[in-house]
Amino acid sequence: NAGVTQTPKFRILKIGQSMTLQCAQDMNHNYMYWYRQDPGMGLKLIYYSVGAGITDKGEVPNGYNVSRSTTEDFPLRLELAAPSQTSVYFCASSRAGQGVEAFFGQGTRLTVV
Amino acid sequence: AQTVTQSQPEMSVQEAETVTLSCTYDTSESDYYLFWYKQPPSRQMILVIRQEAYKQQNATENRFSVNFQKAAKSFSLKISDSQLGDAAMYFCAYRGPSNTGKLIFGQGTTLQVKP
Repeated sequence: NAGVTQTPKFRILKIGQSMTLQCAQDMNHNYMYWYRQDPGMGLKLIYYSVGAGITDKGEVPNGYNVSRSTTEDFPLRLELAAPSQTSVYFCASSRAGQGVEAFFGQGTRLTVV
Repeated sequence: AQTVTQSQPEMSVQEAETVTLSCTYDTSESDYYLFWYKQPPSRQMILVIRQEAYKQQNATENRFSVNFQKAAKSFSLKISDSQLGDAAMYFCAYRGPSNTGKLIFGQGTTLQVKP
């Protein structure tokens, strides 16, 4: 019963490098999300998707891109990493519906130096 | 735009005592959901409790209960008989009536439980 799986768990990037954070869920959830968590700031929504082929920007999308080619996978792409992108990144998924629980991955701690 | 505010960055409680974490929110919607999530040092986000705005009865889950004051836009979490395992960061979150399921989080409250 894997739930939401994120890889990698930790990563150090140099300024200007690119990388993809992987996210997969095995619960057949239509909705998927990427959040970032900065110290003392709570979680902020980067991008979200309500189904395969459909993505939309959240509150803090600059410097990121996403794709949703399958129901299971929702990778987050960082282009030209900057120190401001140092954060903990969480992927989450849920069924459609207003009061349903969102399930979170274990998070990826990314440091840009 | 909707906002969620947790005004207590840190709280502490003695083991077996009761503690209340505060949360206020701002919305013009009448139909929405509110959640409390727990984040232990492992970073895993765990749902503690949820409340539907149209229900007047406060939600309860074992030792966890909420005080939902819709008119005041307040949603506090009460932890009774605190245990060492309750030590964590707690986030209040709001989900509006749109069909996207997006959550808006507060800044979090770090709860310390003293033995």
